[in-house]
Amino acid sequence: ETGVTQTPRHLVMGMTNKKSLKCEQHLGHNAMYWYKQSAKKPLELMFVYNFKEQTENNSVPSRFSPECPNSSHLFLHLHTLQPEDSALYLCASSQDPRDGENTEAFFGQGTRLTVV
Amino acid sequence: GQNIDQPTEMTATEGAIVQINCTYQTSGFNGLFWYQQHAGEAPTFLSYNVLDGLEEKGRFSSFLSRSKGYSYLLLKELQMKDSASYLCAVRDSFNGSARQLTFGSGTQLTVLP
Repeated sequence: ETGVTQTPRHLVMGMTNKKSLKCEQHLGHNAMYWYKQSAKKPLELMFVYNFKEQTENNSVPSRFSPECPNSSHLFLHLHTLQPEDSALYLCASSQDPRDGENTEAFFGQGTRLTVV
Repeated sequence: GQNIDQPTEMTATEGAIVQINCTYQTSGFNGLFWYQQHAGEAPTFLSYNVLDGLEEKGRFSSFLSRSKGYSYLLLKELQMKDSASYLCAVRDSFNGSARQLTFGSGTQLTVLP
């Protein structure tokens, strides 16, 4: 248990469905992240929120829409996904560090998404 | 941008020592992390280096050379439970409100009896 909880753990959805992934952290962190992990590929950073404001969007398709209502909760809204979007979606949180400060990211268990 | 390289797979024997290397090229550097990820589980933090040298933590040690863009993770007295993927990640320097972690593809370590 890392203090970061993701639901659901597994999700199967059709290409015309709309679903949402949820992430919650109880660590008092001020930064939250969505990562995508596909087989044999590095973890890809999708979105970064700091103090509830989106600070980075790494060229993610608009069919992925993040929402951060407060510093403890993060959502990823999904619509009209493609089969190649099937992957493990990981949420993480950290304390935004000062220079050189060790503030590791804590990861949730992930949502295994399958698009059919 | 960032470019991080690490071997795809390694195999070692229980009780042995293994060194997993990581090289990186980055436009800014603010620390290097190693994470362990077992199949189907979340990555968990192992170590952090921001200055050159060796950081030791029990059976695990991590080394950094910033001038060479090089790090390694050293695992001693290997146990079967150490079979996992080991992820090298580099944090960029300040470029806004939050600093990003960029990950390598991971090294899948298999420990044999």
